[in-house]
Amino acid sequence: QSALTQPASVSGSPGQSITISCTGTSSDVGTYNLVSWYQQHPGKAPKLMIYEVSKRPSGVSNRFSGSKSGNTASLTISGLQAEDEADYYCCSYAGRTTWVFGGGTKLTVL
Amino acid sequence: EVQLVESGGGLVQPGGSLRLSCAASGITFSSHWMSWVRQAPGKGLEWVANIKQDGSEKYYVDSVKGRFTISRDNAKNSLYLQMNSLRAEDTAVYYCARFVAPGYFDYWGQGTLVTVSS
Repeated sequence: QSALTQPASVSGSPGQSITISCTGTSSDVGTYNLVSWYQQHPGKAPKLMIYEVSKRPSGVSNRFSGSKSGNTASLTISGLQAEDEADYYCCSYAGRTTWVFGGGTKLTVL
Repeated sequence: EVQLVESGGGLVQPGGSLRLSCAASGITFSSHWMSWVRQAPGKGLEWVANIKQDGSEKYYVDSVKGRFTISRDNAKNSLYLQMNSLRAEDTAVYYCARFVAPGYFDYWGQGTLVTVSS
């Protein structure tokens, strides 16, 4: 049950696009299309942004998109806005009825 | 509107016990898997436990097996986490979340802080 690997931080200017990676193994991200992404503002609860690799919940902006290749999943945010500045976490089913999160990525909007 | 409200957190000594509660509203509680997820101060999220709609299946992260017990009372729309033999490393904000099996957490509470310290 090792945590998924995410970059500690990413940054971008308003209007630009950024991508956050989430690297796992063939036991989790690589095998299951059960990757989800969460946004967390300071002092707040996490919010679901993407589920099952690339699906967006109702109410989440279409500027957020997800994908997966091999053992790495990615979250892309296009048209960056100041309100996107937050921590982002990926999560994957890891088999044997366990779920694992990434270490989190701090997004800074310059 | 879905609301999940946790309670029961606080300061406890190492080796002590604590019982967390989560009151749900705005959802048909008995129809959903539920979960506990925690976040140590300044750290990332960690899945702790899941429980099936009728309580017949329960799953835990290795680090809490044998110490924590997840349970629910569908008549009271409530989720619980009994935490025994607490350690300093259990210090965290504990979130209650609705779990959509088999893959994601779609609604979260605001969390309750558990501090294990002498």
